[in-house]
Amino acid sequence: DTGVSQNPRHKITKRGQNVTFRCDPISEHNRLYWYRQTLGQGPEFLTYFQNEAQLEKSRLLSDRFSAERPKGSFSTLEIQRTEQGDSAMYLCASSLDPRRGYGYTFGSGTRLTVV
Amino acid sequence: RKEVEQDPGPFNVPEGATVAFNCTYSNSASQSFFWYRQDCRKEPKLLMSVYSSGNEDGRFTAQLNRASQYISLLIRDSKLSDSATYLCVAHSNDYKLSFGAGTTVTVRA
Repeated sequence: DTGVSQNPRHKITKRGQNVTFRCDPISEHNRLYWYRQTLGQGPEFLTYFQNEAQLEKSRLLSDRFSAERPKGSFSTLEIQRTEQGDSAMYLCASSLDPRRGYGYTFGSGTRLTVV
Repeated sequence: RKEVEQDPGPFNVPEGATVAFNCTYSNSASQSFFWYRQDCRKEPKLLMSVYSSGNEDGRFTAQLNRASQYISLLIRDSKLSDSATYLCVAHSNDYKLSFGAGTTVTVRA
């Protein structure tokens, strides 16, 4: 297991289309996170899974966004009816318990461009 | 107000110089702190955790001041390869890491 894997690396889509991204975390990490990053900003929290349970969603995550982690392993993030404002880097991360000082390991991200 | 605030820089320093910068966090309940490094158009990568007593990792020294709620990072003997954006991170609850917007460091030959 070489780290967190995200697919695709890049996605260009037309406004109004649906897109889905996939994240494969480090296998022994039970915690999985989705963040979004725009130019000049730090990553912003979107949602968090512990095993298969989605425990928190940011208010940034409108009802056009949905995330799943059906078997507690890989996760998908779907954006419906994409808008130009959705253009960003979508980062997935996994970790052990951060309360014990474990940081996140990020994937390479999916760069979404909505035209 | 953002949970973590950083001076965006850029800090432009010559090779071999020492550069230091801080960040502040607003949530006094924050428990763990980290510095991440992010290269242009790449994902953030964990540089080091920050401990209450301060800690070093090679040329990098991190300090935490809980009373003033700030974290610092010092880079000694800067290398060209240290050029990057450094993200200050606070862990404030069970799951969430809050990231600053980053401090850009450019090391010139």
